[in-house]
Amino acid sequence: AQRVTQPEKLLSVFKGAPVELKCNYSYSGSPELFWYVQYSRQRLQLLLRHISRESIKGFTADLNKGETSFHLKKPFAQEEDSAMYYCALSGREYGNKLVFGAGTILRVKS
Amino acid sequence: DAGVTQSPTHLIKTRGQHVTLRCSPISGHKSVSWYQQVLGQGPQFIFQYYEKEERGRGNFPDRFSARQFPNYSSELNVNALLLGDSALYLCASSLRAPSSYNEQFFGPGTRLTVL
Repeated sequence: AQRVTQPEKLLSVFKGAPVELKCNYSYSGSPELFWYVQYSRQRLQLLLRHISRESIKGFTADLNKGETSFHLKKPFAQEEDSAMYYCALSGREYGNKLVFGAGTILRVKS
Repeated sequence: DAGVTQSPTHLIKTRGQHVTLRCSPISGHKSVSWYQQVLGQGPQFIFQYYEKEERGRGNFPDRFSARQFPNYSSELNVNALLLGDSALYLCASSLRAPSSYNEQFFGPGTRLTVL
């Protein structure tokens, strides 16, 4: 079964502190992992995907197949990073539909 | 381009009624997917259409149906509404059939309230 778990509903950090948003997954096959972000009053948008191995807005995420994790990290949080973050997975075995976690609210305090 | 558009923005219905939600994809996009987002949860996949054919269906009852038109716009229909159908319904479009290489672009959603 496909499942994405984001254990924290809310993560609150101070500006300049490191950020790690946790994501664990369960999947039979070869999953593709994504992070989506929703800023206040904006629509859901793709932040990054593991196949691109890119850094977007200073965020990175490494797929750890041994631990079935895809944690999102940023070394120095900024106030504009405050948003709702969703981890998601998809895979060819399941028709490439996106399966989302429940989301984590990130609050960056000044 | 305004991006993916959805109508209406908000909708209030009573139990047992029927509802139709509409989605217009980004110009040139041929794939549309529908998601239900209940308060406090992430989006849950309902349907996926590509080139007017159903390509995937999530774990939803037969009360939920959808279709894609020749212009690639899409409708989601829900019959015999239940209180539990109250949610934000999201539409997403992509250039080709969804895959890891084809980004899905989301619309603003339709907020459905069932009383």
